[in-house]
Amino acid sequence: AQSVTQLGSHVSVSEGALVLLRCNYSSSVPPYLFWYVQYPNQGLQLLLKYTSAATLVKGINGFEAEFKKSETSFHLTKPSAHMSDAAEYFCAVSESGGGADGLTFGKGTHLIIQP
Amino acid sequence: DAGVIQSPRHEVTEMGQEVTLRCKPISGHDYLFWYRQTMMRGLELLIYFNNNVPIDDSGMPEDRFSAKMPNASFSTLKIQPSEPRDSAVYFCASSWAQGVGDEQYFGPGTRLTVT
Repeated sequence: AQSVTQLGSHVSVSEGALVLLRCNYSSSVPPYLFWYVQYPNQGLQLLLKYTSAATLVKGINGFEAEFKKSETSFHLTKPSAHMSDAAEYFCAVSESGGGADGLTFGKGTHLIIQP
Repeated sequence: DAGVIQSPRHEVTEMGQEVTLRCKPISGHDYLFWYRQTMMRGLELLIYFNNNVPIDDSGMPEDRFSAKMPNASFSTLKIQPSEPRDSAVYFCASSWAQGVGDEQYFGPGTRLTVT
């Protein structure tokens, strides 16, 4: 069975500071990993995805994530936070690709940006 | 494309009433997913369809829940009778699974409140 753990339900950073959102996964097979963002009262939007092509994945809005098999992690980072980054972020895992299978989500991390 | 369309956006109903949530996937997509989001349990997969056929309904909480996809452009999630613990945001997502790491596109969700 697959699972996702997101450390920290709330993360607060200052505008311009580094953003680090943590995600650890459990999977019995090589996983496919995703980060989604949810703005208030909206659906989820894909930020980036790992499909084994490269361990460092770049996404939209300046975000990137690094797949580390030895640590079973897929942490999300952004060098400089912007006020518009304030949102809920979800890490998700799929064992069979993502498009043809349901995703297993973490509980989410609420990112707060301090001015 | 207009994206995944869900209706209604908000639904308030009394316990015991029947509730029907609707979803129109992106044209050409062959997978459709229903998720539920609550504070306690986060985002959970309820059921998904491939080419209008239910593939996995193991996430459906109980017999009060049912989902149908009569054609490629429409799906419903029905709760009968509804209970206060069904209060949640219900998301529909669709995808065109042609490889690995295919993205699921989410609708804006239906916020259900059962009093």
